[in-house]
Amino acid sequence: GQNIDQPTEMTATEGAIVQINCTYQTSGFNGLFWYQQHAGEAPTFLSYNVLDGLEEKGRFSSFLSRSKGYSYLLLKELQMKDSASYLCAANTGFQKLVFGTGTRLLVSP
Amino acid sequence: GAVVSQHPSWVICKSGTSVKIECRSLDFQATTMFWYRQFPKQSLMLMATSNEGSKATYEQGVEKDKFLINHASLTLSTLTVTSAHPEDSSFYICSARDPSGNYNEQFFGPGTRLTVL
Repeated sequence: GQNIDQPTEMTATEGAIVQINCTYQTSGFNGLFWYQQHAGEAPTFLSYNVLDGLEEKGRFSSFLSRSKGYSYLLLKELQMKDSASYLCAANTGFQKLVFGTGTRLLVSP
Repeated sequence: GAVVSQHPSWVICKSGTSVKIECRSLDFQATTMFWYRQFPKQSLMLMATSNEGSKATYEQGVEKDKFLINHASLTLSTLTVTSAHPEDSSFYICSARDPSGNYNEQFFGPGTRLTVL
């Protein structure tokens, strides 16, 4: 079966750092995506990890450990506009994505 | 990045009617598009993979006779919800992969909110 777990909700303050964890168990695995989704809108691409390690892209970084079935998204210098849902999705092969339920992040002043 | 559009952005229909949703890749050709459904406060669930020039591949539990998919050209896929019922009310999102770009990135359309009365 396919199982992707993320925390349901997180809160943080403006300027802080937050780490959103994702664990996965899938029948196939070619890499892990992170997407940002504002309410009522389509997801937008943040990162894609294929190999183990940390990938940094501006204020956002993503980490993958294939042996542990674990990834995290790190958001630095949080801004109010970062309040959104963050979706972790496993690429299970042939570009088929299995999404987690998403983590709703609320950034407060 | 590549742009994917959907039409309409929202639709309200009566129970028993059919609704067609269009997904277009605007600046690239997509041999493969994907259709997802998202219920409130839930994540995206893949419904089917739409292949240009051939039949769509449906995920387990998705009725292919109810959700008709046609990928008639390299820039257009359509999803028709036939005989819609209130339980079909959801947010329908399509995505497409740009074969000339990063192999792994899917570009999502803005979504279509369907409400069946």
